[in-house]
Amino acid sequence: DTGVSQDPRHKITKRGQNVTFRCDPISEHNRLYWYRQTLGQGPEFLTYFQNEAQLEKSRLLSDRFSAERPKGSFSTLEIQRTEQGDSAMYLCASGGVGEKLFFGSGTQLSVL
Amino acid sequence: GEDVEQSLFLSVREGDSSVINCTYTDSSSTYLYWYKQEPGAGLQLLTYIFSNMDMKQDQRLTVLLNKKDKHLSLRIADTQTGDSAIYFCAEDGGGADGLTFGKGTHLIIQP
Repeated sequence: DTGVSQDPRHKITKRGQNVTFRCDPISEHNRLYWYRQTLGQGPEFLTYFQNEAQLEKSRLLSDRFSAERPKGSFSTLEIQRTEQGDSAMYLCASGGVGEKLFFGSGTQLSVL
Repeated sequence: GEDVEQSLFLSVREGDSSVINCTYTDSSSTYLYWYKQEPGAGLQLLTYIFSNMDMKQDQRLTVLLNKKDKHLSLRIADTQTGDSAIYFCAEDGGGADGLTFGKGTHLIIQP
């Protein structure tokens, strides 16, 4: 595995539906981050895992959002009852302790 | 809170050097990064510099860090049309929220 993988690349959904995204980090990276990027902005932090523990959540992460990393490897980000304002690129990044972060290609979400 | 500022646009002629500037506020930054993003794509790590360095060169890329002024720059020598993208400056303060990004600089290449 040479990089961070995210699936799907694109997701189109109707308002009110639930969506789930997956991130597979680089093997043995214990740090995993989710970011959200909207048009014309830089990525904004959503949440952070160290191994399987979710250690930090942004105030941007409403109660409709939930993230898991059950075995300290892959992670999922679920958005319930999607709203049009959730449309964005969702980016995952991983890194070792004290090491630089590598990003995946992202999942582009469009809520109609 | 932490903040990273960049100019929104930079226009250069093909073959000239591009210099993209960034300022940040977090004095505890460990790493500072430059990422490149092309339309519809994720973030590509271009280069990074550790906070105890003041310069790093990697082929056409030169990163300068002035830690006293909290100023970071990226110089791209001999700019090509393939360099056209958005360039993000980011700093890692070592906290649990990972990187703080600027809004990105759109690099526009004129023929």
